[in-house]
Amino acid sequence: DTGVSQDPRHKITKRGQNVTFRCDPISEHNRLYWYRQTLGQGPEFLTYFQNEAQLEKSRLLSDRFSAERPKGSFSTLEIQRTEQGDSAMYLCASSLGGGTGAGELFFGEGSRLTVL
Amino acid sequence: AQSVTQLDSHVSVSEGTPVLLRCNYSSSYSPSLFWYVQHPNKGLQLLLKYTSAATLVKGINGFEAEFKKSETSFHLTKPSAHMSDAAEYFCVVEGGATNKLIFGTGTLLAVQP
Repeated sequence: DTGVSQDPRHKITKRGQNVTFRCDPISEHNRLYWYRQTLGQGPEFLTYFQNEAQLEKSRLLSDRFSAERPKGSFSTLEIQRTEQGDSAMYLCASSLGGGTGAGELFFGEGSRLTVL
Repeated sequence: AQSVTQLDSHVSVSEGTPVLLRCNYSSSYSPSLFWYVQHPNKGLQLLLKYTSAATLVKGINGFEAEFKKSETSFHLTKPSAHMSDAAEYFCVVEGGATNKLIFGTGTLLAVQP
């Protein structure tokens, strides 16, 4: 399968612990996105990379959140000092980018975080 | 700023009857619009996209959507529902040069036998 893969698929942690999610995009895609989806809501944009550069961050991304894409390939999203409100599905997507409307995003199946 | 509003959080239809999922958009310029589908425990999948070409857009699995600028709408339709269509559907607008997608709150489609 050469789609977007995310790891782990499920993570249960205690409040205050740190967690890290990994995303492997489709290999030729230069754009990578992180979204967060809570129950009953649509995905909300968190951050965007073009190659290794993080070009946009949502105000939703508090100081406890950090994302990297060190070599322009895989990406990690770390949440420090987790809170119960961080419980959500974290989605990664990638695309080739290009002009307006060219951005069909390919999504992974997500990493579900439960903070106890 | 770009945004979309999905007018129904839940829609229930009988198998074989038409499907209509409603979406209105707000954009300061001519938008690119998408419909994505999310089946349980599956990743989001693109159904169709509008990028200022033909206003009637055909997608996968028999779905289509019509862009109506005068009504600022982009409703999703299908002539005949199938059980496998049961899923959550998201209307999406593209948010600028980064191709960032802005999602609506979703419509959960139930298909009754």
